[in-house]
Amino acid sequence: SQTIHQWPATLVQPVGSPLSLECTVEGTSNPNLYWYRQAAGRGLQLLFYSVGIGQISSEVPQNLSASRPQDRQFILSSKKLLLSDSGFYLCAWSVKGRGGYTFGSGTRLTVV
Amino acid sequence: SQQGEEDPQALSIQEGENATMNCSYKTSINNLQWYRQNSGRGLVHLILIRSNEREKHSGRLRVTLDTSKKSSSLLITASRAADTASYFCATDAVGAGSYQLTFGKGTKLSVIP
Repeated sequence: SQTIHQWPATLVQPVGSPLSLECTVEGTSNPNLYWYRQAAGRGLQLLFYSVGIGQISSEVPQNLSASRPQDRQFILSSKKLLLSDSGFYLCAWSVKGRGGYTFGSGTRLTVV
Repeated sequence: SQQGEEDPQALSIQEGENATMNCSYKTSINNLQWYRQNSGRGLVHLILIRSNEREKHSGRLRVTLDTSKKSSSLLITASRAADTASYFCATDAVGAGSYQLTFGKGTKLSVIP
């Protein structure tokens, strides 16, 4: 069966520290992968998406970057976190085509 | 900017009542989807309706789509306390290039037992 793993569930990091959030997908090949951020009481903001290994598209200029070193692995990174990077980060995947997304359980990041 | 905008922002109903949430969007779409999010969790895909469809059912869910008005509604019949969650619409816009969804800000539904 197809599953998506996202970790950690919660993270508290000081300003200026690095960040690495990982997302892996099982049970499918060549998925589209996405990173979204959700601020409190807001909708989801698309940060990055990837249609294949090494192919990353950024939607919003920011302090974050993404990489896809393997077909089913998507990593969100930052070299130096800002207070404004706090939020709920969600990884998702979809099959090629125009179907629904499957989301991970999310990472609550608090930058202090 | 947000493509989909849900209305109302918050809705509180008694168990057993029906809940209706609306979504408006701005550009032409290939499909529109509804998702549910329990507090502090990821989103769960509920239903997808394509631009050439007008109504779709899934269990206690009924979704309508009016492309002339650029709007959609999600009806949950005979609501249960377990339906308490936030509900988001998401649109797949025509001409967006690669496949990506744009989400609204959501409707927070509270079902009171």
